[in-house]
Amino acid sequence: DTGVSQDPRHKITKRGQNVTFRCDPISEHNRLYWYRQTLGQGPEFLTYFQNEAQLEKSRLLSDRFSAERPKGSFSTLEIQRTEQGDSAMYLCASSVNRDEKLFFGSGTQLSVL
Amino acid sequence: DAKTTQPPSMDCAEGRAANLPCNHSTISGNEYVYWYRQIHSQGPQYIIHGLKNNETNEMASLIITEDRKSSTLILPHATLRDTAVYYCIVSPYGGATNKLIFGTGTLLAVQP
Repeated sequence: DTGVSQDPRHKITKRGQNVTFRCDPISEHNRLYWYRQTLGQGPEFLTYFQNEAQLEKSRLLSDRFSAERPKGSFSTLEIQRTEQGDSAMYLCASSVNRDEKLFFGSGTQLSVL
Repeated sequence: DAKTTQPPSMDCAEGRAANLPCNHSTISGNEYVYWYRQIHSQGPQYIIHGLKNNETNEMASLIITEDRKSSTLILPHATLRDTAVYYCIVSPYGGATNKLIFGTGTLLAVQP
């Protein structure tokens, strides 16, 4: 069990640029989640995959955000035309089917200048 | 919106028990109480969960009131490494999504 891995740990970009983050879940974990966290707030749910199927997206998720999980393994989260309000920690988590424990990665800290 | 209410911060002396309260007065019959914690610059970490019985594991104990409207997480012998934000979450077990809705949690500061 190597844990949930996220890459990069930090990303600094200019407003208007596109960014992509990667998440490698714990092997054999079918469920994968993306969360966003801003300073002083708890993590906010963004989207959820079961295997390769994206089954739920937050209504708060802008159309500039897209996530994929090809072949049900790693996942990517892309943000197009970044805005300063996108600056946050982006967390990935995985779990076994219908298991209560979510295992979180250490996150990708995005700063949009 | 989060369905729980927690104090924003608490202090605890090292070596003493830390008792973190949580109110969840609108909890439904099929909802469990989960506790996670988040140490600075890390992702949240699962601690414990329960439905109506008290639960204990190697990390903590969870005490749920008989009416299930509140609970207390107990760290029996707090250490400096227990300084973190503690989140109390109510959610259906094994639901269709099993997503967790986090509030702002309680910042526990363990003092030497």
